[in-house]
Amino acid sequence: DAKTTQPPSMDCAEGRAANLPCNHSTISGNEYVYWYRQIHSQGPQYIIHGLKNNETNEMASLIITEDRKSSTLILPHATLRDTAVYYCIVRGSQGNLIFGKGTKLSVKP
Amino acid sequence: DAGVIQSPRHEVTEMGQEVTLRCKPISGHDYLFWYRQTMMRGLELLIYFNNNVPIDDSGMPEDRFSAKMPNASFSTLKIQPSEPRDSAVYFCASSYGQGGETQYFGPGTRLLVL
Repeated sequence: DAKTTQPPSMDCAEGRAANLPCNHSTISGNEYVYWYRQIHSQGPQYIIHGLKNNETNEMASLIITEDRKSSTLILPHATLRDTAVYYCIVRGSQGNLIFGKGTKLSVKP
Repeated sequence: DAGVIQSPRHEVTEMGQEVTLRCKPISGHDYLFWYRQTMMRGLELLIYFNNNVPIDDSGMPEDRFSAKMPNASFSTLKIQPSEPRDSAVYFCASSYGQGGETQYFGPGTRLLVL
């Protein structure tokens, strides 16, 4: 079973920041938080991952709370092409990716 | 880099027929994963290989499913005989290492068993 809890759906206005929350209250010290997304009819795509520090790359930012029990993926300026299902995954260094149901993000004009 | 390549992209077959799905991982990647995605069950890991050796096949649904990786650049997932409940999108993914590295997914094969 997935170790994370995400809202099933969210809306965001185009050009605005999209903030996607994820709860992972049972995360252990050596487990990473990964985010993937799946655009309709395509394979999942890696976005970002982190252990305890906040991370940023060209796609998004990942904010992990100090107790590591939750995190937020931030898409700073959402576009229509960011409409997708976003998966938050907790994974150990030797573990497999276990995909839950994710959050369906709809970016609206 | 061409990314992970899967073929065919679409397959329609009749119940009882043998189905073979193919995957070419990204060059240099030493892990290969097969997933299945359905509306009911979401995205499930079926089996994965490390350096062409199957490591964990606990997700393979039953003996009708088999997977091979004869070399570092090719893998197959075979269903024999196929059944309507096998209808799904099958994804192949590859990665370099398993310790924190990311997986790159192929475009998937959409299988419909009539």
